[in-house]
Amino acid sequence: GAVVSQHPSWVICKSGTSVKIECRSLDFQATTMFWYRQFPKQSLMLMATSNEGSKATYEQGVEKDKFLINHASLTLSTLTVTSAHPEDSSFYICRSSYTFGSGTRLTVV
Amino acid sequence: AQSVTQLGSHVSVSEGALVLLRCNYSSSVPPYLFWYVQYPNQGLQLLLKYTSAATLVKGINGFEAEFKKSETSFHLTKPSAHMSDAAEYFCAVSEKEYGNKLVFGAGTILRVKS
Repeated sequence: GAVVSQHPSWVICKSGTSVKIECRSLDFQATTMFWYRQFPKQSLMLMATSNEGSKATYEQGVEKDKFLINHASLTLSTLTVTSAHPEDSSFYICRSSYTFGSGTRLTVV
Repeated sequence: AQSVTQLGSHVSVSEGALVLLRCNYSSSVPPYLFWYVQYPNQGLQLLLKYTSAATLVKGINGFEAEFKKSETSFHLTKPSAHMSDAAEYFCAVSEKEYGNKLVFGAGTILRVKS
């Protein structure tokens, strides 16, 4: 079946630095990728929707300049958390069609 | 607008007992409904989906769900719980079958007692 490979699975970074999370569709073309954030013991919050070759659509309240999304090809979408702060620590997950990536645990210290 | 309500944030069953996780939805258009399972620090895995075909949907790992329009429900069941079923389960609704926003419920944590 369809597989979305997400890397890294976990990352620790210093406050003020940027972190890039990648999601690759391994055996299909992902025209659209959805990016979610999940806080501990909570449901998933949709952050943005990216379409290959066009600008991402961000949900209300999500800072576009902080969470940069790029979808340059049909198999790769990236989320960059810029100037990360401790409050950005969370679990980030991507999805294409029915398939989710394995998630990235970001800890900002 | 669409929404999902999962009744019971925590459900506890004994190994071998029936699993019933409740999901009610609200949708102004015919819905597409999904159940996902999430293990700690992992992504979500699709268990099953309702796409307007058969109202009783069979999924992986012995789970099934029944779409009841009159009750706006899509409850998830499994006849006999296994220890490996302990996880968090999310019900979700969408307006389209593919590539559309999924609206998730708050999730239900299933605990299986030995």
